[in-house]
Amino acid sequence: EPEVTQTPSHQVTQMGQEVILRCVPISNHLYFYWYRQILGQKVEFLVSFYNNEISEKSEIFDDQFSVERPDGSNFTLKIRSTKLEDSAMYFCASRWTGLPEKLFFGSGTQLSVL
Amino acid sequence: GENVEQHPSTLSVQEGDSAVIKCTYSDSASNYFPWYKQELGKRPQLIIDIRSNVGEKKDQRIAVTLNKTAKHFSLHITETQPEDSAVYFCAAEGSGTYKYIFGTGTRLKVLA
Repeated sequence: EPEVTQTPSHQVTQMGQEVILRCVPISNHLYFYWYRQILGQKVEFLVSFYNNEISEKSEIFDDQFSVERPDGSNFTLKIRSTKLEDSAMYFCASRWTGLPEKLFFGSGTQLSVL
Repeated sequence: GENVEQHPSTLSVQEGDSAVIKCTYSDSASNYFPWYKQELGKRPQLIIDIRSNVGEKKDQRIAVTLNKTAKHFSLHITETQPEDSAVYFCAAEGSGTYKYIFGTGTRLKVLA
């Protein structure tokens, strides 16, 4: 079964540094997402992306965050100046545009901001 | 915006017993409701889903029921096994968007 892949699996960074999290969605999927999960808490929506632009974003997704699809396969999340509270597991997800609506998650990037 | 509430937050059952997890949603136009299982340190995995034009769906030991009038849906696991122990999340797709809002999760422990 095709999978969403994410790199790196773990990222440690200093507060104030920029990080880029990378994802390769499933090849025929056209909707892409980033979700965040702080340890022991629920999966929180950050942003959705379709047709090379953001279709929706949450209050969490402020000016420090950006997303990009730099080529035909990668989908990235950039955090410009990391804060301690950005420490979380970040999941990329993708889905097809039609039915079924199934959302497939990547294995996640555990971001630790020191 | 869409809000999804989930209960209980933790649930312990004896092996072989049934487990029921309940969710309510706020947006009456939501029409797709998936359930995900998340084992420790792993990605959420879709285990079953239901669309709003169906009241119940079953897949072996798991089933989901949907009550659109009351805006709630439930996950039922029968004949629970230790490997069912995990965190389960419900979700709802917001109307007019492709955004999935997740519930707060239920930690299920199946005691051998």
